Amino acid sequence: DVVMTQSPLSLPVTLGQPASISCRSSQSLVYSDGNTYLNWFQQRPGQSPRRLIYKVSNRDSGVPDRFSGSGSGTDFTLKISRVEPEDVGVYYCVQDTHWPKTFGQGTKVEIK
Amino acid sequence: DVQLVESGGGLVQPGESLRLSCAASGFTFSNYGMIWVRQTPGKGLEWVAYISGTADTRHYADSVKGRFTISRDNAKNSLYLQMDSLRADDTAVYYCARGGQPSGRYWGQGTLVTVSS
Repeated sequence: DVVMTQSPLSLPVTLGQPASISCRSSQSLVYSDGNTYLNWFQQRPGQSPRRLIYKVSNRDSGVPDRFSGSGSGTDFTLKISRVEPEDVGVYYCVQDTHWPKTFGQGTKVEIK
Repeated sequence: DVQLVESGGGLVQPGESLRLSCAASGFTFSNYGMIWVRQTPGKGLEWVAYISGTADTRHYADSVKGRFTISRDNAKNSLYLQMDSLRADDTAVYYCARGGQPSGRYWGQGTLVTVSS
């Protein structure tokens, strides 16, 4: 199985400051069609997961533009340009390329 | 609007069975693969099973293979997860989500399954 490793696992941030989460996969996530199926999810306390980013860098509709995704191959990053109070929660990367699909351990974002 | 509503969770004893359902609306159900994902209390997310739109392809996590069966009824816009030989470590909130590639654009609210004697 593809192992997804996130860091850090806990991320205290100051409101208005940037935040960055790293996600690394144990093997390339480039699919046979040339796409890289790496997605990012946000889970706010008490809520279902919500997809923010798909295929590395594409924002889902309704997702604020302060969220951005980047990376390639096995190394990916989610960035929040300026953290807002509603960004508190756990963020997961997930690879959608190989079976079984696998999630990172999650990064808990909290306000300092 | 796309809606996914899970039901069927509850408290069962180890070794027993349970069937989860997911009612879908707001999209052409048969055009999409569907997935089940679970979240153990206080822990992360684990993908459980996938079924294609026509039900001709299914995939399972190793942890549930041989015990869980995913199925769908496109006429009823419904997804199912038959869970047999349940164990304590199957205790989790179970979510259904829309598949496709990429997957996970829409999720249900989850249903809690507790396996305990």
